[in-house]
Amino acid sequence: ETGVTQTPRHLVMGMTNKKSLKCEQHLGHNAMYWYKQSAKKPLELMFVYSLEERVENNSVPSRFSPECPNSSHLFLHLHTLQPEDSALYLCASSQELVRVAYNEQFFGPGTRLTVL
Amino acid sequence: AQKITQTQPGMFVQEKEAVTLDCTYDTSDPSYGLFWYKQPSSGEMIFLIYQGSYDQQNATEGRYSLNFQKARKSANLVISASQLGDSAMYFCAIGGHYGQNFVFGPGTRLSVLP
Repeated sequence: ETGVTQTPRHLVMGMTNKKSLKCEQHLGHNAMYWYKQSAKKPLELMFVYSLEERVENNSVPSRFSPECPNSSHLFLHLHTLQPEDSALYLCASSQELVRVAYNEQFFGPGTRLTVL
Repeated sequence: AQKITQTQPGMFVQEKEAVTLDCTYDTSDPSYGLFWYKQPSSGEMIFLIYQGSYDQQNATEGRYSLNFQKARKSANLVISASQLGDSAMYFCAIGGHYGQNFVFGPGTRLSVLP
């Protein structure tokens, strides 16, 4: 595996389900990110992790719970979601967090989530 | 707060012609980077080109070039010799000094016509 991988690629869940999205980066990067991409809206940065420590939570509802057990893995735990949470969830990584202006982000293919 | 504006929701271009995708930005960070990403219908985000705020020359990567006008706060993407495979969403993004300020614009959908 190379780059950034995400599983599953597609997920359909009910509002009472609990599921997790997984992201793995094989680039030796130190920072990882979760983004939400809804139809007709710009990409929204949800969470930022640097060296397994969360450094940003952009007013994301508590029904989204991130976990970063090590610098290569990032999870997004989902519970009691709403239909409006249906979106493409993208994971990204970058070499460093600081001076990100000089470090591009590499994205995974995304998980397309549908909440019924 | 940082902001990216892309005023063209959709663009059409004839195959083999050049096209310019507009991007303007706003930031209070003295040091920042501007990025362009391509998102095909398959969903993955593909990095295209980067321009640093202190770079003296406009960035180029193959058929992609970035027309950076710092005083106007614009960072337009120029694609030369368009190909059918260039049809996709294109996002302009700005990164401040810290990762938490990485902001994407709403995107421009480019359609290349045969």
